[in-house]
Amino acid sequence: SAVISQKPSRDICQRGTSLTIQCQVDSQVTMMFWYRQQPGQSLTLIATANQGSEATYESGFVIDKFPISRPNLTFSTLTVSNMSPEDSSIYLCSGAGRGGTEAFFGQGTRLTVV
Amino acid sequence: GIQVEQSPPDLILQEGANSTLRCNFSDSVNNLQWFHQNPWGQLINLFYIPSGTKQNGRLSATTVATERYSLLYISSSQTTDSGVYFCAVAYSGGSNYKLTFGKGTLLTVNP
Repeated sequence: SAVISQKPSRDICQRGTSLTIQCQVDSQVTMMFWYRQQPGQSLTLIATANQGSEATYESGFVIDKFPISRPNLTFSTLTVSNMSPEDSSIYLCSGAGRGGTEAFFGQGTRLTVV
Repeated sequence: GIQVEQSPPDLILQEGANSTLRCNFSDSVNNLQWFHQNPWGQLINLFYIPSGTKQNGRLSATTVATERYSLLYISSSQTTDSGVYFCAVAYSGGSNYKLTFGKGTLLTVNP
């Protein structure tokens, strides 16, 4: 199974600030994704992180709010910008092999905005 | 996009009981996974099962792709089985890949 490391594991942030979450994957992973899980809800895909180019965002998510970088094959960051209490969620990084085989997840970042 | 429905939404068991969780999906898929989310929020991979049957200890899963459903069986449940169980599906072709999650089944196993 793929190893996916995500940090921080949790944070409490002030509204109006930004938080950057880091994700490191092992070499079995070629595709990387970011998900959001709002309290009591299921997981929703934010975007696919593309190596060396702009991420592909899902409907309802925009680059200005959730800028994503993937400078190389095994590392990606998600920034939650200009945070409000509505951004309080668990953010999860995911990786899958070429062509979309079994997906694995990092341990998640539990974000609370106050 | 693909729709995923899980049932039941909530399930309460006594320790030692067996249970069956169901996942229905609306379109052809070539990826289906079952996850267990623990109380700390981490998603644990249970099965990668786009078709067929697999078993891992007290857990087993069956996917009937032609009829667009999958079942997760938990036998002799333990309190540590408590948490949310998610089914997720995708149809992946080339670089087009999107894993869609159901709303989950919240399982509570009482001692």
